[in-house]
Amino acid sequence: SAVISQKPSRDICQRGTSLTIQCQVDSQVTMMFWYRQQPGQSLTLIATANQGSEATYESGFVIDKFPISRPNLTFSTLTVSNMSPEDSSIYLCSVEAGAGNTIYFGEGSWLTVV
Amino acid sequence: QQPVQSPQAVILREGEDAVINCSSSKALYSVHWYRQKHGEAPVFLMILLKGGEQKGHDKISASFNEKKQQSSLYLTASQLSYSGTYFCGTELKAGRRALTFGSGTRLQVQP
Repeated sequence: SAVISQKPSRDICQRGTSLTIQCQVDSQVTMMFWYRQQPGQSLTLIATANQGSEATYESGFVIDKFPISRPNLTFSTLTVSNMSPEDSSIYLCSVEAGAGNTIYFGEGSWLTVV
Repeated sequence: QQPVQSPQAVILREGEDAVINCSSSKALYSVHWYRQKHGEAPVFLMILLKGGEQKGHDKISASFNEKKQQSSLYLTASQLSYSGTYFCGTELKAGRRALTFGSGTRLQVQP
């Protein structure tokens, strides 16, 4: 398995500002992903964070709004830019780790935009 | 395409059984099952790969019917700790590892 730490765990942000979420894994992982979970909803993939190259974004998500960095195999950041109340969500980092193709999730970063 | 989960919600008494289904309109490589409790992150339960296998862990097991592109999660003799929202995540291509999640099934186990 993997221990995935996210910072911040919670935050209240003013609309129009940007916030960067950090994801740290206790071991080197190849695959790292960012998901969003809006209140009461399912999880939606934002992007795959690629080490050494630009992230791969899913339909409906763009780099200008959600810039992602992946400087090494244990760390990634997701920035939520120019936030609006609609961005209030849980943002989850996930990785493939261990044997058996398992995808693990971090504890999430709970953002509220006011 | 988002997989379809059913039922949307279920209420059980302790000791009762439940089945949660996850169906896809596309051919799947794998199905991953998670449980999420309120205010917490999703916790991995099990993964099933294409091949129609069945897996089990304690009183929770799952199957994957490749012909129907459907997976079922079986909760046997439910416990209070089983309460939460269950999500299936599907993977279309081997190696991609990015999951598309169903809308979730809210399970409540009552004493």
